[in-house]
Amino acid sequence: TQLLEQSPQFLSIQEGENLTVYCNSSSVFSSLQWYRQEPGEGPVLLVTVVTGGEVKKLKRLTFQFGDARKDSSLHITAAQPGDTGLYLCAGAYDGGSNYKLTFGKGTLLTVNP
Amino acid sequence: GAGVSQTPSNKVTEKGKYVELRCDPISGHTALYWYRQSLGQGPEFLIYFQGTGAADDSGLPNDRFFAVRPEGSVSTLKIQRTERGDSAVYLCASSKESSAGELFFGEGSRLTVL
Repeated sequence: TQLLEQSPQFLSIQEGENLTVYCNSSSVFSSLQWYRQEPGEGPVLLVTVVTGGEVKKLKRLTFQFGDARKDSSLHITAAQPGDTGLYLCAGAYDGGSNYKLTFGKGTLLTVNP
Repeated sequence: GAGVSQTPSNKVTEKGKYVELRCDPISGHTALYWYRQSLGQGPEFLIYFQGTGAADDSGLPNDRFFAVRPEGSVSTLKIQRTERGDSAVYLCASSKESSAGELFFGEGSRLTVL
């Protein structure tokens, strides 16, 4: 069974703070995606990374894909209450089916005003 | 609307009953996926359709679960003889192509088996 581990599981911070969440696996991904999910909603795609070492920025969010394509991180600068939600990473494993995503359990982020 | 639509949004049933969950994907999306999300977990792959056919049903937990997509658009997930362990949010997603590009998820159908 291929596992995708996310840490921390829960994170509660004050508005304006920076944070980083992590996504790790012992297997290699052909691609990795980050989603954000709010209560009662489906996940919404934030970014897709496919190249080892790739860095993508989306406003205050910075996504990094590990050189070996086994891990990824999401860094949020100056967090705002609107960033509150469940952050999920999902990967398509190298050598597996590229349509089948394996999701981590997520990091539940709460940003307090 | 323009997004993925799922009905019902909430379903409460008794153990042993039959349940159908419906998904209406984004128009023009050929790929359709069902995932299941249990409390405190990430979504878990169930089945993938490309057009009308189930290209991969390896995630279905057992033969009580079945899904169809007869005309290549709307899909129905069917669960027979429901068990309490089937309680979860069932998410449907669609995409333009089958390469796990951008998946557009619906809001899910929350199933509670008493």
